[in-house]
Amino acid sequence: KNQVEQSPQSLIILEGKNCTLQCNYTVSPFSNLRWYKQDTGRGPVSLTIMTFSENTKSNGRYTATLDADTKQSSLHITASQLSDSASYICVVSAIGNNRLAFGKGNQVVVIP
Amino acid sequence: DAGVIQSPRHEVTEMGQEVTLRCKPISGHDYLFWYRQTMMRGLELLIYFNNNVPIDDSGMPEDRFSAKMPNASFSTLKIQPSEPRDSAVYFCASSSTGEPQHFGDGTRLSIL
Repeated sequence: KNQVEQSPQSLIILEGKNCTLQCNYTVSPFSNLRWYKQDTGRGPVSLTIMTFSENTKSNGRYTATLDADTKQSSLHITASQLSDSASYICVVSAIGNNRLAFGKGNQVVVIP
Repeated sequence: DAGVIQSPRHEVTEMGQEVTLRCKPISGHDYLFWYRQTMMRGLELLIYFNNNVPIDDSGMPEDRFSAKMPNASFSTLKIQPSEPRDSAVYFCASSSTGEPQHFGDGTRLSIL
């Protein structure tokens, strides 16, 4: 079973609307959680990183939250733009381990 | 500042041929990672190096895959002989300790 599960697998939203992506993980002992954005045909790019003590982190219109007790994270996109169309990948790392656990991504399509 | 550079961007070859993928990491980064990405399985770590030394190759699918890092600025991933099921996008990433992994734009490999 994958250690990182993301939902929904894909979604379509209207330009200007908000959306929230979910990530549940079982990685332990937890070190940090990153959200990456992957545009079509490109490599993933880090958006945010959160450690155990952080509940929320923002990067422009992207806001990530973390609940380390329930092992859940979310990525909220505010006032979506066409350029937000991409796959958003949740990545979790364990303490003392350079191997990352990757979710399969949330595919977001923003339409005008 | 140049990012991670991968070549070729696309490779199409016939089953049984040798394939060599190349990666130039970001200067000063001491970690280098090779990943494979497919629709079904998402991103999977194949192998990673620290200071040019292979640390964890447990993700390498089988003996047909090999990776080398002869110096701090160059790495190769070789598949010999190639098979249709090896078709995927292969990413190289580099990082410094504690920093996010920076990904190249990948090599899209198609084995006919």
